[in-house]
Formats: sequence, structure tokens, C-alpha cells
Amino acid sequence: KAGVTQTPRYLIKTRGQQVTLSCSPISGHRSVSWYQQTPGQGLQFLFEYFSETQRNKGNFPGRFSGRQFSNSRSEMNVSTLELGDSALYLCASSPGGGSYDTQYFGPGTRLTVL
Amino acid sequence: GIQVEQSPPDLILQEGANSTLRCNFSDSVNNLQWFHQNPWGQLINLFYIPSGTKQNGRLSATTVATERYSLLYISSSQTTDSGVYFCASGGGADGLTFGKGTHLIIQP
Repeated sequence: KAGVTQTPRYLIKTRGQQVTLSCSPISGHRSVSWYQQTPGQGLQFLFEYFSETQRNKGNFPGRFSGRQFSNSRSEMNVSTLELGDSALYLCASSPGGGSYDTQYFGPGTRLTVL
Repeated sequence: GIQVEQSPPDLILQEGANSTLRCNFSDSVNNLQWFHQNPWGQLINLFYIPSGTKQNGRLSATTVATERYSLLYISSSQTTDSGVYFCASGGGADGLTFGKGTHLIIQP
């Protein structure tokens, strides 16, 4: 089976812009989770989607949002970008149990905000 | 939420050496996972090990849930083992909670 894919792999934006990141889970997996990784805060949970519904949400401002489509692909959006949003964004898929299942991560999208 | 602590934070070894990485967690867990982050940033799942012992080649892991810790053993290290090793647990509204990681460098 193909692994988790994320696009784009690298992105450079300026403050105030918005960005959309995409994640395609492993075929058959219905749960997609998103994480932000920064040198200062480490890996932090953003949100989890299952069957097109947000099932859990981490402690991030409303500028961070996401959605999941009927084919389980997921997108996350960050509006009004701030310098502190520069990070590696990772998505993970699992069969259905979210973080209670083995998590398979994609290669990540590295976002730089100037 | 659950707290996850890893030790040591940094480890430098020669090729061929063995190592033990430790993960302590603050509450009972049932989904302890170990990951290896390669230099390109991808997290590779090594073990899903809520309790007991598992082995995969040169790697093995043991979780003692009653004492709230897990150990990752790497034997006969190779340079390709370099990277950051994370343990993680928790779930639900908090998602997975990750430790700060152990940065492992294997020198040839």
C-alpha cells in the first residue's frame, strides 16, 4: 500500500496570507490527525478527523481549521499567518481509532512564514 | 493531560554500540508508541506497545504499564539509526502527547 502523502512538501508565505495543506491517508484508513512540530514546542496535536467529522481538537487558535472529504483526504488551513506558524506540519492516518491506533505519518509540509 | 518524559535528551555512540532509551509517562496508558524521525523530518512508527515486549530486528521495546515507563533498545547501532526517537501516548481530545525526544547520533 502507498504511504501517507502530503502536499506541498515546502511552502513559503508572508505574514497575513493564508495557506492550505493537503494530506492523503493510506488507502482504507478513515482517521486523519494533524500535528505541528516546532523547535520550541515540539510536536503538538492540532486536530483529528474521522468520517468527514472533526472528532478531536487541540489547543490552537481558530485560525487553524481543517476538513476531511468523503475519500478520507484531509486539508488543513491556516489563515492570517503569523511568524510563529513556521513549522513542520505532519499528518498521520490510522484505520479508525485515531491516536488509539498505530499512527502512520506522512513526510510533512515545511511551512516558512516571512 | 498526560505528561511524557524521555531520557537521555542526547546520545552519541560509535557504530556497533548498544543503547537504551527511556520514556516515563504520568498516567496509565494503553497506546504507547515509539517513533524514529529521520533527518528529512518523517516520523516512522517503530512500535505500538501498550504493554509487554516486542522485537523487530535490532530494535526491541518493553513497556511496564504498571510502573509507567517504556524502554527502547537498539543493538549493534548503524549510522542509519541516527535521528530523533520519540515516544508518545494519550489520545482523545489531546491526541497523542509526544515526549521531547532523544537525539541519537551514531558515529562511524
